[in-house]
Amino acid sequence: GAVVSQHPSWVICKSGTSVKIECRSLDFQATTMFWYRQFPKQSLMLMATSNEGSKATYEQGVEKDKFLINHASLTLSTLTVTSAHPEDSSFYICSASTSNTGFFGSGTQLSVL
Amino acid sequence: KQEVTQIPAALSVPEGENLVLNCSFTDSAIYNLQWFRQDPGKGLTSLLLIQSSQREQTSGRLNASLDKSSGRSTLYIAASQPGDSATYLCAVRHGGSQGNLIFGKGTKLSVKP
Repeated sequence: GAVVSQHPSWVICKSGTSVKIECRSLDFQATTMFWYRQFPKQSLMLMATSNEGSKATYEQGVEKDKFLINHASLTLSTLTVTSAHPEDSSFYICSASTSNTGFFGSGTQLSVL
Repeated sequence: KQEVTQIPAALSVPEGENLVLNCSFTDSAIYNLQWFRQDPGKGLTSLLLIQSSQREQTSGRLNASLDKSSGRSTLYIAASQPGDSATYLCAVRHGGSQGNLIFGKGTKLSVKP
């Protein structure tokens, strides 16, 4: 099946630093990529929808200036958490969409100290 | 606004038992519904995908049903095994094949040997 590679798997950073998370579709071209986050004991929540070559569409309540999404090619999307704070600590997961389903990355556990 | 609810939140069963996980959604205008498995430190694994026109899908020991009009889906696991221990997520898709997924909070399943 299709493979989506997400890196890093986990990251610990100091408050105020920026963290970049990469999501790559390894054997298919994804016109749309989704970024989700999941706080403990909560649902996976969509943060933004990213189409190749255009600006991402952010869900209500997600700060676009804080969570920078770049989708420069059909196989790569990045999420940068700028000036991370402890409340940004969460599990972030990407999904690359093709036809009628999405393939998920392995997720990134972010811990901001 | 679509809301997806999963009951129970957690379930512990002895090995060999058959079990049912429940999922309900408030807006029946869905494109499809998926059941996922989430293992710690790993990405989501898609288990079963049911199109809005379908009533059920089967894969091995798993059977998922969909009653769109009543906003319900069930995931039936036969002859449970310790390896089935994971969090099971239900998600509905809106807006066509490229639409985003709306997730429930999941059911954490523990199968004891």
